[in-house]
Amino acid sequence: DTGVSQNPRHKITKRGQNVTFRCDPISEHNRLYWYRQTLGQGPEFLTYFQNEAQLEKSRLLSDRFSAERPKGSFSTLEIQRTEQGDSAMYLCASSLGTDVNIQYFGAGTRLSVL
Amino acid sequence: GENVEQHPSTLSVQEGDSAVIKCTYSDSASNYFPWYKQELGKRPQLIIDIRSNVGEKKDQRIAVTLNKTAKHFSLHITETQPEDSAVYFCASNTGKLIFGQGTTLQVKP
Repeated sequence: DTGVSQNPRHKITKRGQNVTFRCDPISEHNRLYWYRQTLGQGPEFLTYFQNEAQLEKSRLLSDRFSAERPKGSFSTLEIQRTEQGDSAMYLCASSLGTDVNIQYFGAGTRLSVL
Repeated sequence: GENVEQHPSTLSVQEGDSAVIKCTYSDSASNYFPWYKQELGKRPQLIIDIRSNVGEKKDQRIAVTLNKTAKHFSLHITETQPEDSAVYFCASNTGKLIFGQGTTLQVKP
């Protein structure tokens, strides 16, 4: 286990389709985060989990977005009825959940909605 | 709401010169301030961080300063090299990370 792993790396879909991304955090990291990054911008927080509990969701996360971390290990992020505005890089990060909260990022999933 | 402002948005320096990037944050509860370097098409990589109980931290050519009263923190890179060219992001932590808009640093050989 050398780091945070995300799959797929790239996803091209048509508007209106559903997509699901997966994130495998660093082993024993109890916190897992999802961010979205558009070109020329910093990552924007979407949601985070401590173990299997989803502790916070950004207001950016519309009801078309849902995230799960059923066993407190890997996480999935699903986008239903995709829109062109959903095109972005979706980044996952994990941390040990201490107050310092050093987060390590995956390489991301780049979503293109046509 | 929580916000981090980062300046400048672009910075071009000659190899060997110093580079300084500045950030301000809004949430007084922030207690941890990391800096990430992101090369084109790659993941953000943590390069240095500072906790709220420290005013300055240095790691070789990189240093970070924090002024909690003014809610300012800065990244200083000395003796810049072409491989320092990348986008740099500051962030503040309140459980989640709030990122600045990024600074594109170009180091000219």
